[in-house]
Amino acid sequence: DSGVTQTPKHLITATGQRVTLRCSPRSGDLSVYWYQQSLDQGLQFLIQYYNGEERAKGNILERFSAQQFPDLHSELNLSSLELGDSALYFCASSVDWDRDVYNEQFFGPGTRLTVL
Amino acid sequence: AQKITQTQPGMFVQEKEAVTLDCTYDTSDQSYGLFWYKQPSSGEMIFLIYQGSYDEQNATEGRYSLNFQKARKSANLVISASQLGDSAMYFCAMRARDGGATNKLIFGTGTLLAVQP
Repeated sequence: DSGVTQTPKHLITATGQRVTLRCSPRSGDLSVYWYQQSLDQGLQFLIQYYNGEERAKGNILERFSAQQFPDLHSELNLSSLELGDSALYFCASSVDWDRDVYNEQFFGPGTRLTVL
Repeated sequence: AQKITQTQPGMFVQEKEAVTLDCTYDTSDQSYGLFWYKQPSSGEMIFLIYQGSYDEQNATEGRYSLNFQKARKSANLVISASQLGDSAMYFCAMRARDGGATNKLIFGTGTLLAVQP
């Protein structure tokens, strides 16, 4: 158990819908990273939040957005869903007190999204 | 651009044998980190081993070792004495600093390892 929790574990929805994925980082971790794992794109970085602020953005679609709340939990919002959005979405957390020092990223169990 | 290449889509190994999973990387950063993660069929990402670019010795963690060859830009994972529970997808990843703002990870396409009894 990495200490990172993600809910829900599975999500099945229809095209055009909107969903919210939730991530609670390990206690004390300030950074939350979101990654998407799909069959055609592989594992790719979406976005990072650090202590409530967006720090880095990857190949995240405009239909997707994220935020990190004062209690440091994060939500990834996916809207106008398409079949191709079906994927495993991981959240990872890290301490990242010093941006020049790498701290291990601990991955949550993932949310498997199926768009029908 | 930073990139991780894993050229072996799948591999077989006999139980108790050693196996090497290949990984090459491309980066212009002088300071970087390389990682290996294991993803069993259940889906979770399990951190295995880390090698920093300035580390002079190859990293080892139990049965896992990382064969780091900086000049060749390779960071191969060696699993000794394979066990049936090692059957999984293995991902090589690199820390990508993007000018220092982040520690995001860039992943390769993975190698599916099957350990045969």
